Amino acid sequence: DVKVTQSSRYLVKRTGEKVFLECVQDMDHENMFWYRQDPGLGLRLIYFSYDVKMKEKGDIPEGYSVSREKKERFSLILESASTNQTSMYLCASSSGQKYNSPLHFGNGTRLTVT
Amino acid sequence: AQKVTQAQTEISVVEKEDVTLDCVYETRDTTYYLFWYKQPPSGELVFLIRRNSFDEQNEISGRYSWNFQKSTSSFNFTITASQVVDSAVYFCALSEAGGNNRKLIWGLGTSLAVNP
Repeated sequence: DVKVTQSSRYLVKRTGEKVFLECVQDMDHENMFWYRQDPGLGLRLIYFSYDVKMKEKGDIPEGYSVSREKKERFSLILESASTNQTSMYLCASSSGQKYNSPLHFGNGTRLTVT
Repeated sequence: AQKVTQAQTEISVVEKEDVTLDCVYETRDTTYYLFWYKQPPSGELVFLIRRNSFDEQNEISGRYSWNFQKSTSSFNFTITASQVVDSAVYFCALSEAGGNNRKLIWGLGTSLAVNP
């Protein structure tokens, strides 16, 4: 079974802090994704990566950056956390170049910025 | 423009009832895929099914069935004899061949509560 592991289940940070959310997958997937999930807004794509050191902006990249130095790891960085970034963050991965590959998700990180 | 609409925000049923979750999509592409995902209270989204635009055959997997109708641009999901473990948020999603091929268009989800 594919396993996508997010480093923290719950995180509480202060406004202005730099925050790192880590995600690791163990199935050699090419594609990795970061979403945030908010009530009433569904899942919104922040960034995705289709290869090591490659990244593309999703629908809401402002205030975030990402890093993919190794194929199995995809990090989401909040350069200066703000209260409007309080949310559930979901990491996912998928295989290959095709648009039809199912996503495999981690358990999520619930981030609270105070 | 591409869009996925799940008109039912919340549904509540009693165990053993049948329930259908609606999904309506919009796309200009002739080649696309549709997906259903389940998000139980634990939070991890789980892939349930994928359907391509050229295959309108209905699919059944145990108590789950899916009805894909291109004529109405719908991909509805039915749970037969629902159980408490079916309580979750269910998401429908669309992936197009012509667009950015790694992005999914998501519906907002339907929260299903199955009560004992």
